[in-house]
Amino acid sequence: GNSVTQMEGPVTLSEEAFLTINCTYTATGYPSLFWYVQYPGEGLQLLLKATKADDKGSNKGFEATYRKETTSFHLEKGSVQVSDSAVYFCALSNTGFQKLVFGTGTRLLVSP
Amino acid sequence: DVKVTQSSRYLVKRTGEKVFLECVQDMDHENMFWYRQDPGLGLRLIYFSYDVKMKEKGDIPEGYSVSREKKERFSLILESASTNQTSMYLCASSWGDRAYEQYFGPGTRLTVT
Repeated sequence: GNSVTQMEGPVTLSEEAFLTINCTYTATGYPSLFWYVQYPGEGLQLLLKATKADDKGSNKGFEATYRKETTSFHLEKGSVQVSDSAVYFCALSNTGFQKLVFGTGTRLLVSP
Repeated sequence: DVKVTQSSRYLVKRTGEKVFLECVQDMDHENMFWYRQDPGLGLRLIYFSYDVKMKEKGDIPEGYSVSREKKERFSLILESASTNQTSMYLCASSWGDRAYEQYFGPGTRLTVT
């Protein structure tokens, strides 16, 4: 079946540090891949997406590249801010209706 | 801006009670979803609906039912609440042709004692 595996958190960084959150997936065919973010006290919101191999999704300084050969979609940001503290969810969609399958989430804590 | 609202942020119920969680969206979205979010398990889909009066089971529908009588409203019902249904419940909605781009409400933290 379809599944998403994310690195365990929390990830603790100082402001301006480089961020990587690892995500790998298992799926048949050619899924679309997503990163969602959940800020404290809020619902999830779509951060970025990639719909085919080698696509790079980007938004708000975050990037992720769809790597079919390694079945990965790692999230990166060159310089994190305190306001980036949140829980990040990797997800895939691989059905006709495009239901989402979520990873377990990775909490990011950024200190000043 | 799309707005998805949930009837309560926090709810405490007793075992065996019937519980209603309400979700309303204001963007005329065709699709609506109910998830539960638990530590270490991420989000798991309970039920979804792609049209009024239509519903489909998700991955963990046992112990839940849903109702969608109007396009903007999607209700989750716990017929007889149990302690293992203590969780954060998230509602989401999306347009028909972009089910993956879901807009989420802030969640309802339900505690069953």
